[in-house]
Amino acid sequence: GAVVSQHPSRVICKSGTSVKIECRSLDFQATTMFWYRQFPKQSLMLMATSNEGSKATYEQGVEKDKFLINHASLTLSTLTVTSAHPEDSSFYICSACPPGLAETQYFGPGTRLLVL
Amino acid sequence: DAKTTQPPSMDCAEGRAANLPCNHSTISGNEYVYWYRQIHSQGPQYIIHGLKNNETNEMASLIITEDRKSSTLILPHATLRDTAVYYCIAETQGGSEKLVFGKGTKLTVNP
Repeated sequence: GAVVSQHPSRVICKSGTSVKIECRSLDFQATTMFWYRQFPKQSLMLMATSNEGSKATYEQGVEKDKFLINHASLTLSTLTVTSAHPEDSSFYICSACPPGLAETQYFGPGTRLLVL
Repeated sequence: DAKTTQPPSMDCAEGRAANLPCNHSTISGNEYVYWYRQIHSQGPQYIIHGLKNNETNEMASLIITEDRKSSTLILPHATLRDTAVYYCIAETQGGSEKLVFGKGTKLTVNP
């Protein structure tokens, strides 16, 4: 099946710093990728839809200036958490859909962010 | 998107069939029933989806009632590795559509 990777898998940072998370589609091109966030013992919550070559679409309540998304190529989307604070500590997951397999999404393994 | 309702947790003995129910009484005609699962600390994994007919693949079977108001995911021979949270999602077909995850069912397969 299609493979989506994320890097890093785990990151610890100090409060106030910025953290970049990469999402790559390894064997297909994706014009659209999705970013989710998952707090402990909760379900996944969609943060934004990343569109290649255009601005991301953010869900209500998600600050676009804090969570910067860049989808500069058909295989890479990045999420940058700017000026991270402890409440941003979470599990961040991306997903993408291979063209021709429009029925399903493939998820990355997730990135666990801990802000101290 | 149609709202789905699932039991919060279920247990199953290893080697037995696991039957996970999902209610989606407000599903519209163009919405499919998707099932994903999430093993602890991993990203979700696609399992199966269907519209009206029952579906089967190498992972599971999906039984959809005739009125489409509910469905059941069947893992025919559950293993310990099937312990996960299972999400039932009603969505129009298209991987380009965002998925709205509910709370899912935490399935625990016991030895």
